[in-house]
Amino acid sequence: DAGVTQSPTHLIKTRGQQVTLRCSPKSGHDTVSWYQQALGQGPQFIFQYYEEEERQRGNFPDRFSGHQFPNYSSELNVNALLLGDSALYLCASSRRQGVPTNEKLFFGSGTQLSVL
Amino acid sequence: QKEVEQDPGPLSVPEGAIVSLNCTYSNSAFQYFMWYRQYSRKGPELLMYTYSSGNKEDGRFTAQVDKSSKYISLFIRDSQPSDSATYLCARCPNSGYALNFGKGTSLLVTP
Repeated sequence: DAGVTQSPTHLIKTRGQQVTLRCSPKSGHDTVSWYQQALGQGPQFIFQYYEEEERQRGNFPDRFSGHQFPNYSSELNVNALLLGDSALYLCASSRRQGVPTNEKLFFGSGTQLSVL
Repeated sequence: QKEVEQDPGPLSVPEGAIVSLNCTYSNSAFQYFMWYRQYSRKGPELLMYTYSSGNKEDGRFTAQVDKSSKYISLFIRDSQPSDSATYLCARCPNSGYALNFGKGTSLLVTP
C-alpha cells in the first residue's frame, strides 16, 4: 500500500519564478492538505482540498494556489517566488468521514524548495 | 501568542532513559491533540492522538493531556537511539480543521 507520494523531492528556483509541486494521496484517502515547514519550525497549514475544491485556507497569500484532480491527487502552485518561500512543502492526506478526519493525517516526505 | 508552544531543545538522553516532551496551548475549545515524529529529511509520522484529558498508552509511548493547565506531554520509556528525531505536538479544534503545530523538540538518544 503506497503512502503519500510527492514529487519532485528537491527543487531549486530563482526569485520571481513559478513552481508546481505534486502529491498523490494514500490509497483510500480523498482529502489532501498542504503544509509549509521552514527550517527549525513546525509545519504551517496552507490549504486543504476535498472534492476538487479548496475547503480551508491558512494565512498564505494568493500567490499560493492549488488544484485537486478527480483521482484525488493534488498540485501546489507558487507564483512570483520569494526567498522566504524556501521551505519543505509537505502534502498530507486523510479520509473524509462526514468531515475530513485530520486527527489521522498521513504525510509525504515533502519537496524541499530552495529559492535563490 | 502562538497557539501551541514547544521547547525546541535539543534534548539529549542516554539509551534506556525515560523521555518527557511537553507542549502548552492557549485555546480552550474542545480539540484533538497529536504527537508526530519527524526524522531528518522526512515527513511527520503520526505517533498518537487523543481528545480527552488523561493518559493514552501505546507500547513505549504515553500521551498525557491536562486540559485544566493546557499542558500536553509525551513520555517515551526505554528510549532507543532509533527514537532520535524531532517530536512535534499539534492540535486541531475539530476533526475537520487544520492542525496547529508546535516548533518541535529535537531529541537525541545516545548509545
